[in-house]
Amino acid sequence: QVQLVQSGTEVKKPGASVMLSCKASGYTFTNYFIHWVRQAPGQGLEWLGVINPRSGDTTYTQRFQGRVTMTSDTSTSTIYMYLSSLRFDDTAVYYCARLNSGFDYWGQGTLVTVSS
Amino acid sequence: DIVMTQSPDSLAVSLGERATINCKSSQSVLNSSNNKNNLTWYQQKPGQPPKLFIYWASTRESGVPDRFSGSGSETDFTLTISSLQAEDVAIYYCQQYYSTPYTFGQGTKLEIK
Repeated sequence: QVQLVQSGTEVKKPGASVMLSCKASGYTFTNYFIHWVRQAPGQGLEWLGVINPRSGDTTYTQRFQGRVTMTSDTSTSTIYMYLSSLRFDDTAVYYCARLNSGFDYWGQGTLVTVSS
Repeated sequence: DIVMTQSPDSLAVSLGERATINCKSSQSVLNSSNNKNNLTWYQQKPGQPPKLFIYWASTRESGVPDRFSGSGSETDFTLTISSLQAEDVAIYYCQQYYSTPYTFGQGTKLEIK
């Protein structure tokens, strides 16, 4: 069965960086783009960007340009998202999701807390 | 960026009654290559990731009860629950996947009256 399994909770200080992972299984990894979406506490969903796992091509939302990097490791079927210069308002649950017609499978989410 | 606006922000409906949620996009999300609208609806319950309910604006995802239906085209879309059940209490989001950034509506919180 299709699964996206994300890495565990992170607590970081302002200005630090964080690397999140999303390991895919149950399907051909390179056939589907992976997107990242975040959700701040009590807030809605915010799309961050997308990666083509086969080519490594990425598109990021403009407000995160320069702070976010997404990479793909086809040998382990894992997508990584690196977010730098963390701010208090980066505190959120970060989800990876597979795009089919819509985001049909989601990871369980990774809570990132930015606190001094 | 395409702005997605949902209405209402919250909705209380009696069990067994109809619930309607609207979603408006700031520009058309109709894909001319296949004549399908790149519009999805998700249901999210507390502590869970969103769950895909409707794609191509009107196609139910496998396993979604048939009391859920999606309609609309280009810029105006509707999610309808024909007969509200207790398990439908959740927040519903629309999203366009016509062009990046793939923006979401702000969400509509559905409750039981």
